[in-house]
Amino acid sequence: QVQVQESGPRLVRPSETLSLTCSVSGGSMNIGGYSYNWIRQHPGKGLEWIANIYFNGNTYYNPSLKSRLSISLDTSKNQFSLKLTSVTAADTAIYYCARYYDTLPGPSYWGRGTLVTVSS
Amino acid sequence: EIVLTQSPATLSLSPGESATLSCRASQSVTSSSLAWFQQKPGQAPRLLIYAAFSRASGIPKRFSGSASGTDLTLTISRLELEDFAVYYCQHYDSSQITFGQGTRVDIK
Repeated sequence: QVQVQESGPRLVRPSETLSLTCSVSGGSMNIGGYSYNWIRQHPGKGLEWIANIYFNGNTYYNPSLKSRLSISLDTSKNQFSLKLTSVTAADTAIYYCARYYDTLPGPSYWGRGTLVTVSS
Repeated sequence: EIVLTQSPATLSLSPGESATLSCRASQSVTSSSLAWFQQKPGQAPRLLIYAAFSRASGIPKRFSGSASGTDLTLTISRLELEDFAVYYCQHYDSSQITFGQGTRVDIK
């Protein structure tokens, strides 16, 4: 059974960089056919896709966040990571990581999410 | 970018009734890219339906999905108390994921 879990600081100062890591278990990241995604949800609001990355290193970013985003993959650790620079209070949200099937239909697997608060 | 529009915004029903939730895509989509999620307060979204029709593991049979053209439908037959929540439709393609704005199913 695939499991994904987010980790990282829960509090980030304004103008600093938010860094999160997603650990994937129950499935190797050394094979293709999947995308690894970050999604966030502002308090009381809907779901917003942030970015994804593939086994081959291809990345896609939400255009509204692209200038501040970086996503990376470490297949040796079965992890992928997100960096969001120059954060403001508007970046306070629950951040989820998720693995999606890409080439074939299949269920996505989501983490439980981690609340990141931007505050001084 | 594909935009998903869910209706209604809120659905007020009683336990035992059936619920029909709609989601319309702004352009034609493949059914394999469509999904439904349920979210309760303080919890992560839970996958109910993927590829428009397929129930995720552990999801009761009272949840069913259908799709036709740009329209996606989630049907919950015989609502149980645990089904009152917010529901999101979702479209996936290789370069982005989009979500509808959500439908809240409230107890009448």
